[in-house]
Amino acid sequence: DTEVTQTPKHLVMGMTNKKSLKCEQHMGHRAMYWYKQKAKKPPELMFVYSYEKLSINESVPSRFSPECPNSSLLNLHLHALQPEDSALYLCASSLYPKVLAANEQFFGPGTRLTVL
Amino acid sequence: AQSVTQPDIHITVSEGASLELRCNYSYGATPYLFWYVQSPGQGLQLLLKYFSGDTLVQGIKGFEAEFKRSQSSFNLRKPSVHWSDAAEYFCAVGRVNTGTASKLTFGTGTRLQVTL
Repeated sequence: DTEVTQTPKHLVMGMTNKKSLKCEQHMGHRAMYWYKQKAKKPPELMFVYSYEKLSINESVPSRFSPECPNSSLLNLHLHALQPEDSALYLCASSLYPKVLAANEQFFGPGTRLTVL
Repeated sequence: AQSVTQPDIHITVSEGASLELRCNYSYGATPYLFWYVQSPGQGLQLLLKYFSGDTLVQGIKGFEAEFKRSQSSFNLRKPSVHWSDAAEYFCAVGRVNTGTASKLTFGTGTRLQVTL
């Protein structure tokens, strides 16, 4: 299995809702990433998990809450989002977090989030 | 700080014509460079990477890139473009954060349009 899967593909939520995005990989990768991508822009890094521990938080608002239950799973919990949070949310993984040559990141197809 | 510049926002080529997408980087040490491709509404797929060694790197889908340290460039090329190559192309540079995890810095992207 050489892919990163993300569910759901599309999500529409109101500003008072609580929802979660899910990401899964079975490649034995020990680094997992959440990115946010707005239309016609490059991905922006949100969080990095290294060996299931939160390693990097790029000053993301607390309405986004990441969770890494095990080495294969990564969740992003959403609460009280704003319309400007509407974007494509990408998950990625890489083999080893601190080895630069392993910085090759494998991306999932993304979740298209719309906040009404 | 490391950075990546993709000077061309949008490029149009005819099917069968050759292609070159430009990427310039700024990084103090030996850079670790990547080219990713993204079809509309999809995740990113790695085309090729450069870590060290031969400066001409072969990738998937018939793409290649050449690392030129003197010009701080890592341009992507393809001898004959197919209509299915129409997509967004991102150049990225990797960096290890000591004690945390590796990060990628993306360029702003180049949108490739292919005319028949």
